[in-house]
Amino acid sequence: EAEVAQSPRYKITEKSQAVAFWCDPISGHATLYWYRQILGQGPELLVQFQDESVVDDSQLPKDRFSAERLKGVDSTLKIQPAELGDSAMYLCASSLGLAGRTDTQYFGPGTRLTVL
Amino acid sequence: DAKTTQPTSMDCAEGRAANLPCNHSTISGNEYVYWYRQIHSQGPQYIIHGLKNNETNEMASLIITEDRKSSTLILPHATLRDTAVYYCIASYAGNNRKLIWGLGTSLAVNP
Repeated sequence: EAEVAQSPRYKITEKSQAVAFWCDPISGHATLYWYRQILGQGPELLVQFQDESVVDDSQLPKDRFSAERLKGVDSTLKIQPAELGDSAMYLCASSLGLAGRTDTQYFGPGTRLTVL
Repeated sequence: DAKTTQPTSMDCAEGRAANLPCNHSTISGNEYVYWYRQIHSQGPQYIIHGLKNNETNEMASLIITEDRKSSTLILPHATLRDTAVYYCIASYAGNNRKLIWGLGTSLAVNP
């Protein structure tokens, strides 16, 4: 069964350092999502791509966060500089991206970030 | 997207059916009900979704009331591995529709 891949699984960094997370969606999935999940809460969407284009980044803190999906396949989420409040699970999900149809999102295992 | 309300926590005995309720009284006619679950420290796992009719797959059954204001996810024979947080989400179909996640129901399956 095809899965969403993410790396690294765990990342510990000091505040003010730069961190990057990588996601490889399920093959053929046009839509890719990055979520942040703080412990004890549900996931919150940070950015959504349709192919290589950003369709929603309204909740992305653009002063320190950036995301790209240059070839419309895999994606990188970067934080620079990291702050203590960025400690969370970062989840990547993908879906087929079919307009007007139910579009189930499938999630990767996540990257657990700890900022010291 | 309609807001959903779920109990904070539930318990279930191993081998028994787990019935997880969800209220979505403001759901619109073309919003689907999705269920996901998240086992500790893992990514969310898709379970099932439905619009009007009851749905069943290899994981669970989804019962939606006729007025669509509430639904129940049924795990017919709960196992210890079903211990997780279960999220009920109402969302329109199609791409470019974000899922708005609440706090979910923490289900504990006890031996």
